[in-house]
Amino acid sequence: DGGITQSPKYLFRKEGQNVTLSCEQNLNHDAMYWYRQDPGQGLRLIYYSQIVNDFQKGDIAEGYSVSREKKESFPLTVTSAQKNPTAFYLCASSIAQGMTDTQYFGPGTRLTVL
Amino acid sequence: AQSVAQPEDQVNVAEGNPLTVKCTYSVSGNPYLFWYVQYPNRGLQFLLKYITGDNLVKGSYGFEAEFNKSQTSFHLKKPSALVSDSALYFCAVEDSSGSARQLTFGSGTQLTVLP
Repeated sequence: DGGITQSPKYLFRKEGQNVTLSCEQNLNHDAMYWYRQDPGQGLRLIYYSQIVNDFQKGDIAEGYSVSREKKESFPLTVTSAQKNPTAFYLCASSIAQGMTDTQYFGPGTRLTVL
Repeated sequence: AQSVAQPEDQVNVAEGNPLTVKCTYSVSGNPYLFWYVQYPNRGLQFLLKYITGDNLVKGSYGFEAEFNKSQTSFHLKKPSALVSDSALYFCAVEDSSGSARQLTFGSGTQLTVLP
């Protein structure tokens, strides 16, 4: 069953803790993305990666970090420096970061800071 | 800079009636336009896209969208709405002249189809 998986589905964090969100794809896509979704604001790009061992900051990268050691995996770490981390986080992938390439999304992780 | 606007936060329509969800965009070059749908606590599902060619694009689940360059719009339409179409709809744009291939999303429109 091909697709994008994200885990966990729900995540609770205490203030001051770092947490890592998992994103895995078996679509053989080169490009992967992380978005944050807040009510009434649509999706905002955090980081993206066009190829293994390379990634770029998106519009709201402060307080987040990523790695891309494998083609299939693009984990996102929410650090204690992120001032308002409670949100719904969506991972996406596309064949390549080209203008006609459709992005396909995972089911999301809802992060709540206690 | 590229931007996209969805002027309606909420659209209500009766089942069986036609539906329209509005989207306008702003780009420097040619636009690449997308529609996605999101059900509660789920990821986004791709519906359709416009890259070039025919201005009327047909997508999944009976949805279609019309690209209008003069009005810079890309409205989503369906001839006969179903209760199961109730969801959050997002329009997204990518500027063909941009150096970084990034999608910019609208704020979303909540569609409610009333039985």
